[in-house]
Amino acid sequence: GQQVMQIPQYQHVQEGEDFTTYCNSSTTLSNIQWYKQRPGGHPVFLIQLVKSGEVKKQKRLTFQFGEAKKNSSLHITATQTTDVGTYFCAPTGTASKLTFGTGTRLQVTL
Amino acid sequence: GAGVSQSPSNKVTEKGKDVELRCDPISGHTALYWYRQSLGQGLEFLIYFQGNSAPDKSGLPSDRFSAERTGGSVSTLTIQRTQQEDSAVYLCASSLFGQDEPQHFGDGTRLSIL
Repeated sequence: GQQVMQIPQYQHVQEGEDFTTYCNSSTTLSNIQWYKQRPGGHPVFLIQLVKSGEVKKQKRLTFQFGEAKKNSSLHITATQTTDVGTYFCAPTGTASKLTFGTGTRLQVTL
Repeated sequence: GAGVSQSPSNKVTEKGKDVELRCDPISGHTALYWYRQSLGQGLEFLIYFQGNSAPDKSGLPSDRFSAERTGGSVSTLTIQRTQQEDSAVYLCASSLFGQDEPQHFGDGTRLSIL
């Protein structure tokens, strides 16, 4: 299946700082989804990106899909403690073989 | 409406025993997925059911693992002759049509093998 690496594996920020996680693939992706998993919880769908160069915003979250559709990013502006969790990217499409990214764990402290 | 329901929520069993994990997907969802998540790790794909098509079993780690989906709804994941390395949280998800749809996850079954 398509292998996707996420960086960083872990990030610790102070509340109010920005945060970005990157999802990188060696192959061109069809679509990509992003999920958030709170500690002790299950993954929750955030968004799906389909088009090359696509940018979508959800309040303080900005999602981007690269022009070559080989990478994607999630940026959180002015983090809050409610943003704590692990963020996973997941390529979709018939060739994806349902592989989730390695995940980025975000810790936010006051 | 109701979300994805998994049972049991916790299962403790002895090495060598068989276990059955159940998943009740969202009504009307044709796609169903099983994943395994070890502590602090990512999601490992196990198996994918889509409508009446043959399931994608490419993620099953060994022939001790099997799954079925009856009537296009409820699914059961069976692990035979459990080993300690099978200890993990087993997550089930469903989506409306297939992989390009958002996946809705259940709360998982935490399996502990003694």
